[in-house]
Amino acid sequence: EAQLSESGGGLVQPGGSLRLSCEASGFTFSTYAMSWVRQAPGKGPEWVAGISNSGGRIGYADSVQGRFTISRDNSKNTMYLQMNRLRAEDTAIYYCAKDLWTIPGGFDCWGRGTVVTVSS
Amino acid sequence: EIVLTQSPATLSLSPGERATLSCRASQSIQHYLAWYQQRPGQAPRLLIYDTSARAAGVPARFSGSGSGTDFTLTITALEPEDFAVYYCQQRRSWPTFGGGTKVEI
Repeated sequence: EAQLSESGGGLVQPGGSLRLSCEASGFTFSTYAMSWVRQAPGKGPEWVAGISNSGGRIGYADSVQGRFTISRDNSKNTMYLQMNRLRAEDTAIYYCAKDLWTIPGGFDCWGRGTVVTVSS
Repeated sequence: EIVLTQSPATLSLSPGERATLSCRASQSIQHYLAWYQQRPGQAPRLLIYDTSARAAGVPARFSGSGSGTDFTLTITALEPEDFAVYYCQQRRSWPTFGGGTKVEI
């Protein structure tokens, strides 16, 4: 059974940085694309960033382009999200999501999420 | 960016009734549409991908249809556990989600 576990969330001041991690188990990690999806309180999901299975194709939402960096280490079955220049509007639950395919497009397994709060 | 608009925002129904949820795309997304269910305090759960393919373990009462810009999720007979929020999501370009439809009793 595929499982995902996020870590690294917390409280950070505006302008600060955080690095999220997502550890995968129960499936062949290097076969599938992975994404980060966030959900602000009371709002719908927002796709943040995605990375193909090999890491060769990467995409970002306009709202985080230039501030966030997604990466993966297939030898460690782990995906990362480096978040810089954080803003109040980045406050959300951040979910790690496994894709159905080799490029980001549809998410058939989700972690429990890690909470990021940006506040002074 | 492709914008997805879901309607209605809220659907008030009773167990056993049929639910019909709509999702409209701002431009053609061919058949590249998925549907998710989200219960309170949980992560979204994939129900349907590529318009009409049910994800593993999803009951047959859930079905999807449509193409181009107009799509529908149908739940033929609502069970108590189906009262939740439903989101559509496209993959014609980098993924985007709709604003959601809450199915309530």
